Amino acid sequence: DTGVSQDPRHKITKRGQNVTFRCDPISEHNRLYWYRQTLGQGPEFLTYFQNEAQLEKSRLLSDRFSAERPKGSFSTLEIQRTEQGDSAMYLCASSLLQAMQETQYFGPGTRLLVL
Amino acid sequence: AQSVAQPEDQVNVAEGNPLTVKCTYSVSGNPYLFWYVQYPNRGLQFLLKYITGDNLVKGSYGFEAEFNKSQTSFHLKKPSALVSDSALYFCAVYNFNKFYFGSGTKLNVKP
Repeated sequence: DTGVSQDPRHKITKRGQNVTFRCDPISEHNRLYWYRQTLGQGPEFLTYFQNEAQLEKSRLLSDRFSAERPKGSFSTLEIQRTEQGDSAMYLCASSLLQAMQETQYFGPGTRLLVL
Repeated sequence: AQSVAQPEDQVNVAEGNPLTVKCTYSVSGNPYLFWYVQYPNRGLQFLLKYITGDNLVKGSYGFEAEFNKSQTSFHLKKPSALVSDSALYFCAVYNFNKFYFGSGTKLNVKP
């Protein structure tokens, strides 16, 4: 399978615990995005990387959220001290930026439930 | 500010009939426009995009979309709907290195 993969697909945790999600992009893609999606809404931008550099982080994103892409390949998204409001689907997408254009390809998502 | 509007939360259509899912946008500069489809508990799948050129764009699964600059719209269409087309559809605009998504339209195709 050469698509975007995410792990785990589902995560249930208790409030206050830390969680980490992983995203493996399409291998030749240089950009990687994280989104959050709640029921009935479109994806909400969280952050994105070009290679290993984190170029932008949403101002709506709490300091409890951090993302890394250490070698410009896979990425991790960590949420510290989870809250019930963090319950959502977390989507990863990758793209190849060429000639100022890109098309995002999404992974299946990680569904987080905070109890 | 960049924004995308999908005015219909839900569209109902009978199998075999044509379907339209509406999208309007507001961006500065020339937009790149996209449609994605999402099935339950899945990520978004790319359907088609408009970058430049012909206003009618053809995509996957028989879908097409028409770019209308004067009306700032990018409606998704299909001549003959299938029950398997039932899903959530998202319009998105790409501008200044970011994607902005609409809130989605649920398409119900009834047999």
